[in-house]
Amino acid sequence: QVQLQESGPGLVKPSETLSLTCTVSGDSVSSGNYYWSWIRQPAGKGLEWIGRVYTTGFTNFSPSLKSRVTISIDTSKNQFSLKLTSVTAADTAVYYCARVSAAVGWSDPWGQGTLVTVSS
Amino acid sequence: DIQMTQSPSSLSASVGDRVTITCRASQSISNSLNWYQQKPGKAPNLLIFSSSSLQSGVPSRFSGSGSGTDFTLTISYLQPEDFATYYCQQSYNTPRTFGQGTKVEIK
Repeated sequence: QVQLQESGPGLVKPSETLSLTCTVSGDSVSSGNYYWSWIRQPAGKGLEWIGRVYTTGFTNFSPSLKSRVTISIDTSKNQFSLKLTSVTAADTAVYYCARVSAAVGWSDPWGQGTLVTVSS
Repeated sequence: DIQMTQSPSSLSASVGDRVTITCRASQSISNSLNWYQQKPGKAPNLLIFSSSSLQSGVPSRFSGSGSGTDFTLTISYLQPEDFATYYCQQSYNTPRTFGQGTKVEIK
């Protein structure tokens, strides 16, 4: 059974960097069959795709976040990570990681999500 | 970016009803359309991929159809556990984009 688990600080100060890690169990981030993705959801709102990383380190990002986002992969730890710089209150959201089929593009499974609040 | 527009934004229905949710893409996405169900406080769950393929373990009362720009999610016989918010997502190109969601509420 594949499981993903997000971890990281739940509170980040404005202008600082949000850093989250997704730990994968039951599958390998080295698998060429999948991308590994980050999605976020502000309270009471819809889903926003942040970006994805492939086992090679190849990445794609949302144009609206591209200048502030880094997604990296650590095959030795079976993890992938998100860094979002210069955060503001608008970045407050539940952040999800997910496995994405490289061939078809569906996302499954998702992590349970972690709430990150940007506040001083 | 490809814009995804769902309708309605919300609906009220009764147990046993047939429910249809539509999703329209701003350009053709072939059949690269996925549907997710999200319950309060939970992560989204994949229901349908490639427009009409049922994810393993998902009840057969869920079905999807469409290609090009217009897609439909149908719940043939609404069950109490189906009250949730449903999202479509295109996987035709990046950035992946989601519809704004359709909340299915109890009438």
